[in-house]
Amino acid sequence: DGGITQSPKYLFRKEGQNVTLSCEQNLNHDAMYWYRQDPGQGLRLIYYSQIVNDFQKGDIAEGYSVSREKKESFPLTVTSAQKNPTAFYLCASSTRSGVDRGQFFGPGTRLTVL
Amino acid sequence: GQQVMQIPQYQHVQEGEDFTTYCNSSTTLSNIQWYKQRPGGHPVFLIQLVKSGEVKKQKRLTFQFGEAKKNSSLHITATQTTDVGTYFCAAQAAGNKLTFGGGTRVLVKP
Repeated sequence: DGGITQSPKYLFRKEGQNVTLSCEQNLNHDAMYWYRQDPGQGLRLIYYSQIVNDFQKGDIAEGYSVSREKKESFPLTVTSAQKNPTAFYLCASSTRSGVDRGQFFGPGTRLTVL
Repeated sequence: GQQVMQIPQYQHVQEGEDFTTYCNSSTTLSNIQWYKQRPGGHPVFLIQLVKSGEVKKQKRLTFQFGEAKKNSSLHITATQTTDVGTYFCAAQAAGNKLTFGGGTRVLVKP
């Protein structure tokens, strides 16, 4: 089955540590996205990539970094510079045109920084 | 930047009743998408609207795109417990970047 996988589902880290969230897709999608969702809130775009080796900042990129070395993978690093990292992180992918079938989301990673 | 507002933020519905949630953009859109997120889950794409005044139906769900392409609505008839969740609109003005609204959280009273 094609889809998006995110691991781990739950992640705990101590304050001041960097942490990398995994996102893998086998849908052959060109575009990939990272969103942050806080309790009771909507989705805010962190970074997105429309093609391998290229990515753009979203609305809340400060304190985060990404890479897109392979079409299938778009890992997100939450750095110690992110002031309030505890949140639900969602990865998504789409075709490059982006819209005929919408964005496919992974199951998410719940990050808690202690 | 582009802002997308959804109202109401919460919707408590008696099972069997109808309700509508609204999505308003500050800019003219190329298209709008709707997603549903079940409690504890991830957003799932429902539909995309592209044309001015477009109306699309999925069983008990009716989606409409405004004539000016700046607003949209989702109407659910005969609400069921399976309709529980948060409904998000996501607006696209250019490129692949979507701007999500804050969502309407739907609770169904049996």
